Amino acid sequence: DAGITQSPRHKVTETGTPVTLRCHQTENHRYMYWYRQDPGHGLRLIHYSYGVKDTDKGEVSDGYSVSRSKTEDFLLTLESATSSQTSVYFCAVQGEEETQYFGPGTRLLVL
Amino acid sequence: GQNIDQPTEMTATEGAIVQINCTYQTSGFNGLFWYQQHAGEAPTFLSYNVLDGLEEKGRFSSFLSRSKGYSYLLLKELQMKDSASYLCAAIKAAGNKLTFGGGTRVLVKP
Repeated sequence: DAGITQSPRHKVTETGTPVTLRCHQTENHRYMYWYRQDPGHGLRLIHYSYGVKDTDKGEVSDGYSVSRSKTEDFLLTLESATSSQTSVYFCAVQGEEETQYFGPGTRLLVL
Repeated sequence: GQNIDQPTEMTATEGAIVQINCTYQTSGFNGLFWYQQHAGEAPTFLSYNVLDGLEEKGRFSSFLSRSKGYSYLLLKELQMKDSASYLCAAIKAAGNKLTFGGGTRVLVKP
């Protein structure tokens, strides 16, 4: 499982509330990623990080921000949650041969 | 830009063979991944093809043709536990980012 945990695993929140999801890894991987998965869209990249304090946008970054102050933690923040951000969020790390390994996911419901 | 296409759903019988096709149009293409995802779970890595040809791993094989922008995942001796979604993803030479297709849901029937 590449030593990846995500917290919380489930969350229900209200529209307009800020939400932070945490991804934690124990194997010192340099690259970390946040995806969302929705029916009909597959996995889409939100943001990724290529080192401490080094992050970049993915294809669906609007409404999201990230931070990486330590190698092991990559945080995803929904600044003001909207119903369109109801989704399953997966964190991933890049291991050997460019292979990405995924965390267990966080199910977020925005009411 | 990038475009990755795979069928939405396939049904097969236990013990049979199923082939899941994936076509891609990716500038700067470097390789093609296949992941398996059971309902409610995270994707798990199956295979990575960089060179043309067939790579076999037990009951699963993956094929890549770079000139045709085409890959397939072959599942042999299907088991009920193979019922899952199979995700095709392309990686560019620069960037370490994956672009995923929509996934193919495979239903294995007794």
